[in-house]
Parts: sequence; C-alpha cells; structure tokens
Amino acid sequence: DARVTQTPRDKVTEMGQEVTMRCQPILGHNTVFWYRQTMMQGLELLAYFRNRAPLDDSGMPKDRFSAEMPDATLATLKIQPSEPRDSAVYFCASGLGEAYNEQFFGPGTRLTVL
Amino acid sequence: DAKTTQPPSMDCAEGRAANLPCNHSTISGNEYVYWYRQIHSQGPQYIIHGLKNNETNEMASLIITEDRKSSTLILPHATLRDTAVYYCIVRAQNAGNMLTFGGGTRLMVKP
Repeated sequence: DARVTQTPRDKVTEMGQEVTMRCQPILGHNTVFWYRQTMMQGLELLAYFRNRAPLDDSGMPKDRFSAEMPDATLATLKIQPSEPRDSAVYFCASGLGEAYNEQFFGPGTRLTVL
Repeated sequence: DAKTTQPPSMDCAEGRAANLPCNHSTISGNEYVYWYRQIHSQGPQYIIHGLKNNETNEMASLIITEDRKSSTLILPHATLRDTAVYYCIVRAQNAGNMLTFGGGTRLMVKP
C-alpha cells in the first residue's frame, strides 16, 4: 500500500531555531505539494513541485521558508528562523501528472514553536 | 476558481445515507467538482470528482445538477469511520491549477 511519509510527525522547538520537515512522495509520483493547516486559516498551499522543479511557491513566506527536492524521493521544507506563528500542521502530498489530478496526502508534521 | 458554499456541520445516523450539499453557483464551464475529506489528525483524502455527469466509485456518488450550480456527495451507508470534514472544491483542469480548500462540512456519524 503506497503512501506518502513525513518526518518528524511532531516537532516542538523554540523561536529562532531552524526546522526541517521531510517528505517521501509515493514512488513514481512526479508532483509534490506542501500545505499548511491552522485553525484560523484552514489548509493553505505553500509550494508545488513537478519533476523536482519548483513551479509555484507563491503561498510561502520567502524570507524564512524554503522548499527543495534534493532527489525524486525526498522533499524538504525548512523554516529558518522559526516563529510562534509558524505553529501548524504541515502536510505533504504527491500526485502523478498534472496538479489537478488526485493528490495523496501524508500524515502531516505537527509543528509547535514556543 | 469558483467559490463553494457548504453547511458547516451535519449529522447522520450510522447505516443511513449521508448527503452532503455544495453550492457553486459561479462555476465555469471548464471547472470540475472535487471532493476530499479529512479525518481527524490525518491528511486529506481524495474521494471523487466530476464535470457534469453523475459519478460513482467505491467510496461515494457525486450528483451534479443539470445547471451545474450545485452538487451532492452521497455516502450510501455511512459508518462511524466516515466522521470527517468534507471539502467541496471546484477548479479548472489547467496546468498548474491548485486545490483551494474552503471551510468544508463537518460530518458527524452517530450510532
């Protein structure tokens, strides 16, 4: 049963620290998405990759957030420096082909910044 | 993307059909209707999508009105595990077009 995996599942850190979240998309999927979910804003798209190239990161705060795909099996989302307002659940999703095709979501990383 | 309107919450008795409505009165001709759901503490899960014909799969049925201004997701025999937030999304199948999640409907299936 192919699934998107994310690590860590939970992360508690202090303000100013660097946070790295990792995602392993489903093998063979060529599109990867990063979403953030908070009670106030709901689910928001942060960034989108196809074939490891970033296609849209307009939803991501550029000054502190960065998203990369070092290879086809790993996507990373970094926050440096982290702030309390970054506390949220971060989801990675993967898909095949166009962005509008079915997206398969991972279990999420719950980030708490104190 | 066209905006959608969903009731914030609904209840359904276990074993009965759950009918979740969605209004999308400004939908364009090239926009599809997608449904995802999110069970507590999990990532969203794709359910079904359609353009203008009714669709059915192993999870649910999607009924789209003839004028396409509204649709209904039907879970034919709801179980406790179907308790979740259900999101109705309309979007065109253009390259790079993203999913935009609204508030959704919180469905509570009760014994």
